[in-house]
Amino acid sequence: RKEVEQDPGPFNVPEGATVAFNCTYSNSASQSFFWYRQDCRKEPKLLMSVYSSGNEDGRFTAQLNRASQYISLLIRDSKLSDSATYLCVVNMRGSYIPTFGRGTSLIVHP
Amino acid sequence: GAGVSQSPSNKVTEKGKDVELRCDPISGHTALYWYRQSLGQGLEFLIYFQGNSAPDKSGLPSDRFSAERTGGSVSTLTIQRTQQEDSAVYLCASSLERQSSGANVLTFGAGSRLTVL
Repeated sequence: RKEVEQDPGPFNVPEGATVAFNCTYSNSASQSFFWYRQDCRKEPKLLMSVYSSGNEDGRFTAQLNRASQYISLLIRDSKLSDSATYLCVVNMRGSYIPTFGRGTSLIVHP
Repeated sequence: GAGVSQSPSNKVTEKGKDVELRCDPISGHTALYWYRQSLGQGLEFLIYFQGNSAPDKSGLPSDRFSAERTGGSVSTLTIQRTQQEDSAVYLCASSLERQSSGANVLTFGAGSRLTVL
């Protein structure tokens, strides 16, 4: 079983839609969680950290469920510019090496 | 510099040749990472440098791969006797010194795209 698993998609949604991605992790010792965004043929960039209590940044909401070992990303009112691959990233306690999921592709169409 | 700088941005080489990829991290960032990303795949960890500590080389796929970091700044990833399966985008990232939570937020360079013919 992979350490970090994501549905590769693609998720094809119209502008204005709400879309959610999940990411599961296998190691219960995982401590820190992030979502990165990667545009086509570009480098990954940090989108947001994921906190235990859940956190929101504008149209984006991230949540953590430790009991079920998954994190989620919710995007409201999707924009064309949200089209990208969203990478789930997990750090195990005591490790400084983030583990990346393979990413979930989102395509927002007019 | 303002960001992580990598060179070359593109490299085409013949099977069996050696290649060197360079990474110049953000000034003041003590942690430096190399990952690679093959077409349609996720990021595969290669090596991690932190300050003057011994690097974590656990992700290097074979002894053809090596990396060094001189003066705690610029890093060079060397691939000897390249094979076609080495074709990928090699991404370098840097971050501030390790956080108490153990979670480093990474800033990536634009990558070096390697094609082995």
